[in-house]
Amino acid sequence: QSVLTQPPSVSGAPGQRVTISCTGSDSNIGTDNEVHWYQQVPGKAPKLLIYDYTNRPSGVPDRFSGSKSGTSASLAITGLQAEDEADYYCQSFDTSLSGSVFGGGTRLTVL
Amino acid sequence: QLQLQESGPRLVKPSETLSLTCTVSGGSISSSYYYWGWIRQPPGKGLEWIGNVYLSGSTYYNPSLRSRVTISLDTSKNHFSLKLESVTAADTALYYCARAPPNSDFWSGYDYWGQGALVTVSS
Repeated sequence: QSVLTQPPSVSGAPGQRVTISCTGSDSNIGTDNEVHWYQQVPGKAPKLLIYDYTNRPSGVPDRFSGSKSGTSASLAITGLQAEDEADYYCQSFDTSLSGSVFGGGTRLTVL
Repeated sequence: QLQLQESGPRLVKPSETLSLTCTVSGGSISSSYYYWGWIRQPPGKGLEWIGNVYLSGSTYYNPSLRSRVTISLDTSKNHFSLKLESVTAADTALYYCARAPPNSDFWSGYDYWGQGALVTVSS
């Protein structure tokens, strides 16, 4: 069981908007420890999509955005494209564990 | 462009020690203050954080692995290493090395990753 909870799967049609939630607790997201998001295409290493809640590394399209509310964070993807089909993971720092924790991952299917 | 490459034995016997090295090219480990870390992914499963080492030598480990894991930095060879003792089949996974810049917590997201090394624990 992961410290950060993500839905196992989400889906959407091309052009649509989808969101992926990441629910934590008062020892990680709730205490303002920052959240990062990764995209992992099968057979490849994870790629950083969003860091420190809302920032995009150079080269990441602005179709990807991050937000936070209370003990949860969300990744939004607008204008869904076939190439967005992948697994998505959230990550945060957990103060109780004194280390990083990952969500269990969400498989995005583009219909 | 920074590149990270994992190397080490891909097959380890139960109860022995798993050892991997991550060689960094395109930049110096000692040139800036970054965290250098290991993350693993069992086949068909999600990501698990193993630990980080900071340029100062400070280390941070997953509590569930702390008794068995050591991460160290060798600036002279521009690489960092992972040792995991007393392995079992449950330690079979794809092991990634990665870099994280510092932030207000401790470290930010991992911005550079190696391609991963599949290590199998089996007799």
